Amino acid sequence: SQELEQSPQSLIVQEGKNLTINCTSSKTLYGLYWYKQKYGEGLIFLMMLQKGGEEKSHEKITAKLDEKKQQSSLHITASQPSHAGIYLCGAEPIFAGNMLTFGGGTRLMVKP
Amino acid sequence: GAGVSQSPRYKVAKRGQDVALRCDPISGHVSLFWYQQALGQGPEFLTYFQNEAQLDKSGLPSDRFFAERPEGSVSTLKIQRTQQEDSAVYLCASSLTSGSIAHTGELFFGEGSRLTVL
Repeated sequence: SQELEQSPQSLIVQEGKNLTINCTSSKTLYGLYWYKQKYGEGLIFLMMLQKGGEEKSHEKITAKLDEKKQQSSLHITASQPSHAGIYLCGAEPIFAGNMLTFGGGTRLMVKP
Repeated sequence: GAGVSQSPRYKVAKRGQDVALRCDPISGHVSLFWYQQALGQGPEFLTYFQNEAQLDKSGLPSDRFFAERPEGSVSTLKIQRTQQEDSAVYLCASSLTSGSIAHTGELFFGEGSRLTVL
């Protein structure tokens, strides 16, 4: 089955600092999704990557998918308290239809 | 509706009680998914519907878990004889079509139903 490992599991950064979260798959990915979750809330879609080497940005968040389509990184520039939450990567395995499996999440805290 | 709606948001049950969790997907969405998210973990897949057909229930942890979507819109996840290990947030998600999410767009999540079994 598809397994996704996220690192680090938790992260505390000072406001204004940059940070990177990684997501590694044991298998080649058909689609890689990044979601953000705040406590007690549902998952908010951030972005989706499908092509090897693809990179997408939204505001101060940039996500990349490596050429082999087995690893993705999420980078936040000049972090703000509003970036705090749980970041989840989800993957759609090749030929497995439209079900997403998720990593364990990275808990981000931003200290003002 | 504007988004995926789940009810109740919070449910406290005594061990052994039956519970029912409801999901109203976005109107017109064909695919519906249930996930279970334990504290400090990522969501784990439970089951998948395409319209009224339950195409995958491989993630349901035991025969105490049952899901239905009789008219292809609203779905109910029922847990019989709840146990403490059933305590989790139950997330519902929907997508527009039945094809690959990578081709059809994102998966939209509700805010979840938090179940606590005492």
